[in-house]
Amino acid sequence: EAGVAQSPRYKIIEKRQSVAFWCNPISGHATLYWYQQILGQGPKLLIQFQNNGVVDDSQLPKDRFSAERLKGVDSTLKIQPAKLEDSAVYLCASSSEGVETQYFGPGTRLLVL
Amino acid sequence: AQKVTQAQTEISVVEKEDVTLDCVYETRDTTYYLFWYKQPPSGELVFLIRRNSFDEQNEISGRYSWNFQKSTSSFNFTITASQVVDSAVYFCALNTGGFKTIFGAGTRLFVKA
Repeated sequence: EAGVAQSPRYKIIEKRQSVAFWCNPISGHATLYWYQQILGQGPKLLIQFQNNGVVDDSQLPKDRFSAERLKGVDSTLKIQPAKLEDSAVYLCASSSEGVETQYFGPGTRLLVL
Repeated sequence: AQKVTQAQTEISVVEKEDVTLDCVYETRDTTYYLFWYKQPPSGELVFLIRRNSFDEQNEISGRYSWNFQKSTSSFNFTITASQVVDSAVYFCALNTGGFKTIFGAGTRLFVKA
């Protein structure tokens, strides 16, 4: 069974630029999560989708971050415009249901200069 | 409010030593789920174990064992006869049956040959 796929693996941009990350969850998993992991910290949930609906986006900085999961499968997370403090690893995870075990992708390392 | 505390920031051991990683959680819910994940240098979080609040049986899987004690709100993780490949950051996480999983700050384990 294929795991969670993410791209790109690394991205370097300058502040005020835009960036987008892509995630393809495990086949059949209804729930998809985006996390932000700042160096030395645990992952922090940004947004959670159940199929193509948003379940929780309370910690998503909506003035600059957006995410979508149009067909209930893959998802895109966008930052526009990026700030220095957005430098982090962005992790995508999926699970079969909301409280089931989450399986993580390899992450995208973002550096904002 | 839910909270996960991993008080040990870094632990260093010599190969073949036993090591215990501590996890203390806070929640007022009676139904909840606890997880341990491993994050090797490659960055991907690897699922290790999931426990629900009604199952206090300790679990052993090879060199790994977990001690769940509701009386002290702890879910500690022991690696027996540690190996260099165990070097990683280990995260404890809590889900209270709602939608958000809360991660601890992680414990970085160094196993020296």
